Amino acid sequence: DAGVTQSPTHLIKTRGQQVTLRCSPISGHKSVSWYQQVLGQGPQFIFQYYEKEERGRGNFPDRFSARQFPNYSSELNVNALLLGDSALYLCASSHSVPGVPDTQYFGPGTRLTVL
Amino acid sequence: GESVGLHLPTLSVQEGDNSIINCAYSNSASDYFIWYKQESGKGPQFIIDIRSNMDKRQGQRVTVLLNKTVKHLSLQIAATQPGDSAVYFCAENVSFKAAGNKLTFGGGTRVLVKP
Repeated sequence: DAGVTQSPTHLIKTRGQQVTLRCSPISGHKSVSWYQQVLGQGPQFIFQYYEKEERGRGNFPDRFSARQFPNYSSELNVNALLLGDSALYLCASSHSVPGVPDTQYFGPGTRLTVL
Repeated sequence: GESVGLHLPTLSVQEGDNSIINCAYSNSASDYFIWYKQESGKGPQFIIDIRSNMDKRQGQRVTVLLNKTVKHLSLQIAATQPGDSAVYFCAENVSFKAAGNKLTFGGGTRVLVKP
């Protein structure tokens, strides 16, 4: 079975641009979460979506937004890119209803570089 | 691939020896904990989990211990192999009021296995 998939693998943008990252969860998983991992640190929570609804948001500015589609795939959008947005963006999916502790399985990530 | 953690604490271990990785968590209300392994250029990979009503759980060559009194987790890897070289993160599950949840990650430990 395929795991969590993300696209693109790598992306280079310049300051002020906008970017869209994509994620497909494991088949049967309805919950998708996004994390940002800066080099040398652990992942930081950005969003959680379940059944197309936002269920949680981390401490990130409004430049970050996301959505989930009827097939449970998800997109993360970042507007007005800053140098500090350079990071590995990870998508994770889980099977259970949010609020019920369950394993989150991560994709390979999208490496975003902002110049 | 890129290095995940350039300034992480490092545990050097001889191949065949046992490894112990420690982690302190912050939220006494956390009810679920996961250990992840992250190799260079890849997303975090699930290793083992434990719920707060347990103090020990064993998997294949790995054991997780939970001490809720001092808010401490440890991961023990038996007979460490070269393929165990990676960065290891502990994560605690935090639930939201809006029926969501997120993972909060520790800072990570790099394990280097010497042949």
